[in-house]
Amino acid sequence: KNQVEQSPQSLIILEGKNCTLQCNYTVSPFSNLRWYKQDTGRGPVSLTIMTFSENTKSNGRYTATLDADTKQSSLHITASQLSDSASYICVVQRTGRRALTFGSGTRLQVQP
Amino acid sequence: KAGVTQTPRYLIKTRGQQVTLSCSPISGHRSVSWYQQTPGQGLQFLFEYFSETQRNKGNFPGRFSGRQFSNSRSEMNVSTLELGDSALYLCASSSSPPTDTQYFGPGTRLTVL
Repeated sequence: KNQVEQSPQSLIILEGKNCTLQCNYTVSPFSNLRWYKQDTGRGPVSLTIMTFSENTKSNGRYTATLDADTKQSSLHITASQLSDSASYICVVQRTGRRALTFGSGTRLQVQP
Repeated sequence: KAGVTQTPRYLIKTRGQQVTLSCSPISGHRSVSWYQQTPGQGLQFLFEYFSETQRNKGNFPGRFSGRQFSNSRSEMNVSTLELGDSALYLCASSSSPPTDTQYFGPGTRLTVL
C-alpha cells in the first residue's frame, strides 16, 4: 500500500533551537517528495521538491534530505522562529501519476 | 501574479443539500487539483483537471464531482451532503509537468449540520 508516515506527530521547541522532522514512505515507483508548511486556517505552501537524484535541498532555514534507498526524508529547521509554528506535511508523488500521497503532518509549536 | 483564489471561504449547509465550490488558478496554470482536509484523515486527493479534462481521481464516492472551464477555473460539487463531508476543501494549481510546484488556495471551510 502506498503510504507516507511522519514523526513525531507534534513537537514543541524553544525559539532559536533546531529541530528535525521525519518522513518515511512506501510509495512506489517514486517520482518526487515534497515538504509543505501549513499555517492554521491556510493552504499549504511548498518548501522543497526533491526528485530521485537529489539528496539535499535547502530553502532558507529549511533543509530537506532524501534517502531514496531507505525511503526516508527529513526536514531540518535551523534557528527556529515563532513564525515556524505550523504543520509540516510530507508528500510523495508516484512516477507517471499526478495524484499525491500525503502524510498526516507534524505539528510544530515554537515557544518564546 | 495573483495567487489561487477560492470562493466562498466559509459555508454552512445541512445534510442532504448540495454545494458548489469554486477555484480560480494562478494565471497561466492549466492544472487544478482538489483536496479534502479533515483532522482525522489529513489531506486526501479528490481529483485533478487539466484542459477541461479530469486526469486523475481519488477514492471518493460519486457524490463528489468537478469540472474545469476553458479559462481553467474549476468547480467542485458535492451532492447529498453528509456530516462527514465537513472539511477544509483545498484547490491547488500548477503548470503541466507532474513535478511542478502546486500552489494552494486558502481553502473553503464547509460545515455540514
